[in-house]
Amino acid sequence: GDSVTQTEGQVALSEEDFLTIHCNYSASGYPALFWYVQYPGEGPQFLFRASRDKEKGSSRGFEATYDKGTTSFHLRKASVQESDSAVYYCALGDTGNTGKLIFGLGTTLQVQP
Amino acid sequence: NTKITQSPRYLILGRANKSLECEQHLGHNAMYWYKQSAEKPPELMFLYNLKQLIRNETVPSRFIPECPDSSKLLLHISAVDPEDSAVYFCASSQERTASGNTLYFGEGSRLIVV
Repeated sequence: GDSVTQTEGQVALSEEDFLTIHCNYSASGYPALFWYVQYPGEGPQFLFRASRDKEKGSSRGFEATYDKGTTSFHLRKASVQESDSAVYYCALGDTGNTGKLIFGLGTTLQVQP
Repeated sequence: NTKITQSPRYLILGRANKSLECEQHLGHNAMYWYKQSAEKPPELMFLYNLKQLIRNETVPSRFIPECPDSSKLLLHISAVDPEDSAVYFCASSQERTASGNTLYFGEGSRLIVV
């Protein structure tokens, strides 16, 4: 079945560091790919999505490019801030026409001031 | 996010019955219940599209969803079990499509089973 694998566990950075969180997927065709962010005590918030090869999604300084060749959708940000500390989820739209989003296990980003 | 409201936000239960409520003000046609256990990603429980139950994941029968209209979603829980302790999120999307939906989540209802 469809699945998503992302950078495991925690990523610890200092302010103004460059961020990369890896996301790879396994699915047939061209599933829609998403990044969500979840702050403590809140629901997941949609960051952005992409649906076609080489399409770039971006929001709030974060970006990711859909790469069919490497089946990847890595999240990047040039300069992180302490307020970016949160859990980040990569997700894909189930290609089985179920209307379901399949989430990765999540990556916790901690940014020190 | 005030566009999807959930109540109650916190709930402490013994083996009792209770209902969670959700209302979305986005004009969306599809609504979902997701369960998020500690340190885990959200997992789909139920999906409604235009008030019809489209997908019922294999959740215990003590969870019963209800969709009284396209903007409201309820989750009735009876005789809760300790494994039900989690945060329950309501979500909505414009519609259910094959290409993948953009889901918008509420703030969640935290259930603690004692």
